[in-house]
Amino acid sequence: EAQVTQNPRYLITVTGKKLTVTCSQNMNHEYMSWYRQDPGLGLRQIYYSMNVEVTDKGDVPEGYKVSRKEKRNFPLILESPSPNQTSLYFCASSLGLGQGAYGETQYFGPGTRLLVL
Amino acid sequence: AQSVTQPDIHITVSEGASLELRCNYSYGATPYLFWYVQSPGQGLQLLLKYFSGDTLVQGIKGFEAEFKRSQSSFNLRKPSVHWSDAAEYFCALLNNAGNMLTFGGGTRLMVKP
Repeated sequence: EAQVTQNPRYLITVTGKKLTVTCSQNMNHEYMSWYRQDPGLGLRQIYYSMNVEVTDKGDVPEGYKVSRKEKRNFPLILESPSPNQTSLYFCASSLGLGQGAYGETQYFGPGTRLLVL
Repeated sequence: AQSVTQPDIHITVSEGASLELRCNYSYGATPYLFWYVQSPGQGLQLLLKYFSGDTLVQGIKGFEAEFKRSQSSFNLRKPSVHWSDAAEYFCALLNNAGNMLTFGGGTRLMVKP
């Protein structure tokens, strides 16, 4: 089944304790992206990756890191989490740019709910 | 800069009634537009999308949306709402470079029996 998976789905942590949220897709998609969802703000893009070893900042990158060493994986790293990073996080992927309407439609994972105390 | 506005934070309709969710955008070129639905505790599911061509777009679950360039709008409609349509709906705009998807704040739909 074609899908985007995220782990963990739920995470409670404390300020300053490094954590990683994994994202994996099995569709051979080139483009991957991370969003955070906060009430009334919709989803805001954190980082995106056009392909392996190619990443760039979105609208709200502060406090986050990403890496893209393999095409299928795009982990989100919080090196020193703070309470303002408590949020619902979504990973998404698409076939790639320049592929037309089909290729540029993003498909989302189930979300990771993070609470930073 | 691109932006998306969904003016209605909450909407309540009766089951069987028609529905229209509003979406306005700001973008300097022809946008790529999407509607996604998020059921409680779930991820986002794509309802429909507009890239070019016919301005009336059909999607899944009986939804449709109409792109109106003159009004910078992409409103979502359904002729008869079902209780299972209760969810949060997001309008989104993809820039022409294809690397940035901007979301509206969402509209939460409640359906009365």
